[in-house]
Amino acid sequence: KQEVTQIPAALSVPEGENLVLNCSFTDSAIYNLQWFRQDPGKGLTSLLLIQSSQREQTSGRLNASLDKSSGRSTLYIAASQPGDSATYLCASMEYGNKLVFGAGTILRVKS
Amino acid sequence: DGGITQSPKYLFRKEGQNVTLSCEQNLNHDAMYWYRQDPGQGLRLIYYSQIVNDFQKGDIAEGYSVSREKKESFPLTVTSAQKNPTAFYLCASKDSSATGVIEAFFGQGTRLTVV
Repeated sequence: KQEVTQIPAALSVPEGENLVLNCSFTDSAIYNLQWFRQDPGKGLTSLLLIQSSQREQTSGRLNASLDKSSGRSTLYIAASQPGDSATYLCASMEYGNKLVFGAGTILRVKS
Repeated sequence: DGGITQSPKYLFRKEGQNVTLSCEQNLNHDAMYWYRQDPGQGLRLIYYSQIVNDFQKGDIAEGYSVSREKKESFPLTVTSAQKNPTAFYLCASKDSSATGVIEAFFGQGTRLTVV
C-alpha cells in the first residue's frame, strides 16, 4: 500500500528565503505526482503536476522535481513571500487513478 | 466557469441523522472522488467513481454511501453509522485528456459538524 510522507510538517521562514519542501513515497510505480496548495478552510489548488516520465516542472517561482527510483519529490519555492503561506500537499497518482496524499507541510512566511 | 461545486459550505448534523453533501462538476470528467480531511492529517479516500453507475470503496468507506447516476454529480451521504463524522470533506474530479495528462481538480469543501 502506497504511503506518502512530507517533511517538514511545519516551516516558518522570513520573507525572501528560498525553501524546499520534501515528499517521499514508498511505491515507485506511480502514474504522476501532483503538488497542491491549501489555504485555511479552502479546497486544494493544483500547483504542479509531474508525469512519471518527467524529472521536473516549473511554474513561476515554483519548481518541482521527481526521482521515481528513490521515491522522492521536492517542491522548491524561490524568493518566498507572505502570500505563499499555506499548507502544501503532495499526492501520488497510482495506476488505477487513486490519489494518495501526504499529511502536508504548513508554511508560514514572515514579513 | 468550469469547475467543481460543493454545497453546502457548512453543514450541521444531529446525532442519528443522515446528511447528504453535494458535488457537481461541469468539466466533463469521468472520475470523481470523495476525501475526508481531519486536522493534521492528509486526505483519506472515502469513495471514488470512474464511470456513471459504478463506484468503489476507498480506505474509509464505513458509514458513508454514494451514488453516480449522472456524470456531473457524485453526492455523498454521511449516515448515522458514521460515529465520528465531524471533518472537512473534499470532492475531486480527474481529467483524462488525449495527451495522457491526468490531473485532479478539487472543490472548495464542506465542513460537517455534529451538534
